[in-house]
Amino acid sequence: SALTQPPSASGSPGQSVTISCTGSSSDVGGYSYVSWYQQHPGKAPKLVIYEVNKRPSGVPDRFSGSKSGNTASLTVSGLQVEDEADYYCSSYAGNDILCVFGTGTKVTVL
Amino acid sequence: EVQLLESGGGLVQPGGSLRLSCVASGFAFSSYAMSWVRQAPGKGLEWVSVISGNGGNTRYADSVKGRFTISRDNSKNTLFLQMNSLTAEDTAVFFCAKQKQWLKAVDYWGQGTLVTVSS
Repeated sequence: SALTQPPSASGSPGQSVTISCTGSSSDVGGYSYVSWYQQHPGKAPKLVIYEVNKRPSGVPDRFSGSKSGNTASLTVSGLQVEDEADYYCSSYAGNDILCVFGTGTKVTVL
Repeated sequence: EVQLLESGGGLVQPGGSLRLSCVASGFAFSSYAMSWVRQAPGKGLEWVSVISGNGGNTRYADSVKGRFTISRDNSKNTLFLQMNSLTAEDTAVFFCAKQKQWLKAVDYWGQGTLVTVSS
């Protein structure tokens, strides 16, 4: 089943926002393969974090990831207007099944 | 530059079929697993299917198992999704996606193609 994320999060420009992603020992807690995607309205998702805390080339270091037990987190520091978007987590869940996505979090920059 | 260009979406009646295509460029296509991910209007992302680089391994979401078939033609750098017995619940934007590793992160996405199932 889908990973659980809060529906919304917000912060003022320059502040930080942290989004949680809760799964189980069969997915988030069992592997170090959590990814985070940013999606602006009407656009394709974009990878911002992979393998829990690695950033793809070109992604600002304002984006960081972590994991504790069955919960992963994405932190966006120094919020900018362009960070306003939907964010989805995803986790590897074993070789026999597809990855599972989170329910998504809408981040608003106040 | 990696590019993924989907085509084949459109309006189809319930019970009908549709075949999506995705032409890839800018990377060694046969070396990477590829996926289809969909997003219903106003909803979240759902992994539909994945295929290994040589086409020998596939996985499907329970919601499409037995109705959808993923395939690829590595000689033409093209990914396919054959969709049969479509229902209104299949209405979504379908994204073609390049896997960074088998069943792990997606590092590149296409712009998506809209499939609408309606009478």
